Amino acid sequence: EVQLVQSGEEVKKAGESLKISCEGSGNTFTNYWIGWVRQMPGKGLEWMGIIYPGDSETRYSPSFQGQVTISADKSSRTAYLQWSSLKASDTAMYYCARSPGRVGTRFEYWGQGTLVTVSS
Amino acid sequence: QSALTQPASVSGSPGQSITISCTGTSSDVGGYDYVSWYQQHPGKAPKFIMYDVSNRPSGVSNRFSGSKSGNTASLTISGLQAEDEADYYCSSYTGSNTDVFGGGTKVTVL
Repeated sequence: EVQLVQSGEEVKKAGESLKISCEGSGNTFTNYWIGWVRQMPGKGLEWMGIIYPGDSETRYSPSFQGQVTISADKSSRTAYLQWSSLKASDTAMYYCARSPGRVGTRFEYWGQGTLVTVSS
Repeated sequence: QSALTQPASVSGSPGQSITISCTGTSSDVGGYDYVSWYQQHPGKAPKFIMYDVSNRPSGVSNRFSGSKSGNTASLTISGLQAEDEADYYCSSYTGSNTDVFGGGTKVTVL
């Protein structure tokens, strides 16, 4: 069974840095793309970016380019989403999800979500 | 890169059919057959229910169907059931190595 397990809830202050994680099960982790999706409180889904852990090729939505960094460690089957300086507007639920391809992502499997709360 | 346009809400009675639209441009929905749909119940992670416009993943009810005409994709739920009450999101490839979601539609079963 495919599972994506995300790191736990985070409560941070504006200006702090943060790195959240998404660990995949199985030995095919490097054959799929892992994407990140933001959902602000009471709002819709936003496509942030996607990475191929096999070679770390990464694509960002223009809205998130330069605002976050997506990375992966194929040896630990883990993808990461990080911020160097959080803002209150980064408060949201963040989901990772797996797609078989980059062109026309199909997020077939999702993590449980990581809630990030940033106070000003 | 703007979000795709979905109606904020759609409602129907049990047993009825409803259709949710997802409107983009010729640069996304209209340009590629890479439209997916997701269902999200309150407090839960989204669930993948349709891909490449009209293909259902294994295990998804055949009451869900997808189509596309021009720059608008649609998800139809037939034989509406109480469990279908949820938020629904479309997404489309944008041709610049990224995808974009729609704003979401709340489906209410009356």
